[in-house]
Amino acid sequence: NAGVTQTPKFQVLKTGQSMTLQCAQDMNHNSMYWYRQDPGMGLRLIYYSASEGTTDKGEVPNGYNVSRLNKREFSLRLESAAPSQTSVYFCASSEALLSSYEQYFGPGTRLTVT
Amino acid sequence: RKEVEQDPGPFNVPEGATVAFNCTYSNSASQSFFWYRQDCRKEPKLLMSVYSSGNEDGRFTAQLNRASQYISLLIRDSKLSDSATYLCVVNLWGSASKIIFGSGTRLSIRP
Repeated sequence: NAGVTQTPKFQVLKTGQSMTLQCAQDMNHNSMYWYRQDPGMGLRLIYYSASEGTTDKGEVPNGYNVSRLNKREFSLRLESAAPSQTSVYFCASSEALLSSYEQYFGPGTRLTVT
Repeated sequence: RKEVEQDPGPFNVPEGATVAFNCTYSNSASQSFFWYRQDCRKEPKLLMSVYSSGNEDGRFTAQLNRASQYISLLIRDSKLSDSATYLCVVNLWGSASKIIFGSGTRLSIRP
């Protein structure tokens, strides 16, 4: 049982380049999330998807887009990367949205934008 | 004022000691609370949910004080393996649904 998987694990981009971070879960969860984690700060929610076919902005959505491809997969796209987007990105899933259910996290993607 | 605040630490305590840390939250409409553990360069993992009545899981005890708007985590008989960063998480539901992570408290257990 893989849980939540993310690809790639590491990425270096030049300013202005684009890329898509992939996330998949095999727990049949309805809700999925993308966070970023910066030193000295808590995880901040970028976007979330309550269920297949829906997405909503979180706290820091600017510069990102998401796609809930199906129930399993939720991707995060950076259209034109900026140095301020250097961060560790975590994908997570839970049975239901923003509830008392536990969130399960993927191993993270370490992104550096130069 | 941050919506969720934690003392960043580090708390450096000897093995076997008891250590406690708090997390304060500013929104009284907050409805669910959790403690997550994050090891260095790893993903966060749920340690325990925090219920109104408090809850205990082995050496770990979590409590909620709604009047003063904080949650606490107590670790008894600390082990070297307890060294990690502990994140508190607060959920608000409804029209302004939010999930807010604290920036974490670093704990280091020394032999």
